[in-house]
Amino acid sequence: EAQVTQNPRYLITVTGKKLTVTCSQNMNHEYMSWYRQDPGLGLRQIYYSMNVEVTDKGDVPEGYKVSRKEKRNFPLILESPSPNQTSLYFCASSIGGLGNEQFFGPGTRLTVL
Amino acid sequence: GQQVMQIPQYQHVQEGEDFTTYCNSSTTLSNIQWYKQRPGGHPVFLIQLVKSGEVKKQKRLTFQFGEAKKNSSLHITATQTTDVGTYFCDSNTGKLIFGQGTTLQVKP
Repeated sequence: EAQVTQNPRYLITVTGKKLTVTCSQNMNHEYMSWYRQDPGLGLRQIYYSMNVEVTDKGDVPEGYKVSRKEKRNFPLILESPSPNQTSLYFCASSIGGLGNEQFFGPGTRLTVL
Repeated sequence: GQQVMQIPQYQHVQEGEDFTTYCNSSTTLSNIQWYKQRPGGHPVFLIQLVKSGEVKKQKRLTFQFGEAKKNSSLHITATQTTDVGTYFCDSNTGKLIFGQGTTLQVKP
């Protein structure tokens, strides 16, 4: 089944404790992206990747890191999480990036205390 | 930077009434995508519009792209409770930019 998976689905952590949210897709998509979703603000792009070893900042990259060492995986790293990073996070992939249908993962709800 | 604004932010309708959400951009869009997110779910692709003035239909849903390619609309005829959710437009001229979404509530 074609899908985007994220782990964990739920996470409660404390300020400053490094964490990684994994994202994996099995559709051989070049393009992958991370979004955060907050009430009233819609979906805001954090980082995106056009292909392996190619990443770029989205609209709200501060406090986040990503890597794209292989095509299927695109982990989101929070080196020192803060409470303002409490949010719902979605990973998405598409076959060619701009102008193509994006497939979203189920989401990761992160709470930073 | 480029902004895509969606209106209204929230809409409550009685089942059977029509519903429309609008997506407006300050700049010309190359194309636009619409997504639906059910409560507790993730966004799911509905459709893509590319051509100026394009109109596409999916059963009770009608999607339209403006002649100037700066705005788009999604119209639902005779809403049902299954239409509940948040509808997003997504423009990707240079960077993927989602509108804030319109949350639709349908009263049975």
